[in-house]
Amino acid sequence: NAGVTQTPKFRVLKTGQSMTLLCAQDMNHEYMYWYRQDPGMGLRLIHYSVGEGTTAKGEVPDGYNVSRLKKQNFLLGLESAAPSQTSVYFCASSYPSATGGFENSPLHFGNGTRLTVT
Amino acid sequence: RKEVEQDPGPFNVPEGATVAFNCTYSNSASQSFFWYRQDCRKEPKLLMSVYSSGNEDGRFTAQLNRASQYISLLIRDSKLSDSATYLCVVWGGTNAGKSTFGDGTTLTVKP
Repeated sequence: NAGVTQTPKFRVLKTGQSMTLLCAQDMNHEYMYWYRQDPGMGLRLIHYSVGEGTTAKGEVPDGYNVSRLKKQNFLLGLESAAPSQTSVYFCASSYPSATGGFENSPLHFGNGTRLTVT
Repeated sequence: RKEVEQDPGPFNVPEGATVAFNCTYSNSASQSFFWYRQDCRKEPKLLMSVYSSGNEDGRFTAQLNRASQYISLLIRDSKLSDSATYLCVVWGGTNAGKSTFGDGTTLTVKP
């Protein structure tokens, strides 16, 4: 059982280049998220999805796009990378509780993608 | 003011010490609370959920005070392996997006 898998693990981009980060989960979770974490800071939510075919903006969505074409995959795209997007990106998934909420529904994280934009 | 604030740290304690972290939240409608542990350059991992009545898991005890809007984490008999950053996470309700992480408190346990 792999859990949540992120690819790639490391990437260096030049300003203006594009790339896609892939997140795959094999736990049949409904909810998936993309976070970024900058040095000395907590995680900030970029985009999230509550089910296949749905996406929504989080706290810091500008400069990113996402897609959830299949339940198990959540893609994060950078169309034109900027140095401010240098960060560690974490994907996570979770499941709704029996009541449909988040009570006692923790996040399961991938190993992270370390992105540097020069 | 941040939605979720944690003790700034860092906390440097000797092995065997008892240490406590606090986390305050501003959204009174928050429903679920968690403590995560994050090792250097690794992904966060769930340490424990925080229940209204308080809960314990071995050397770790979590408390929730809804009236004062804070949660706490107590670590007894600290081990070297407890050295990590501890993140407080607050969920605002059924909206998946209403999750907020604290900036974390760094703990270093020394021999």
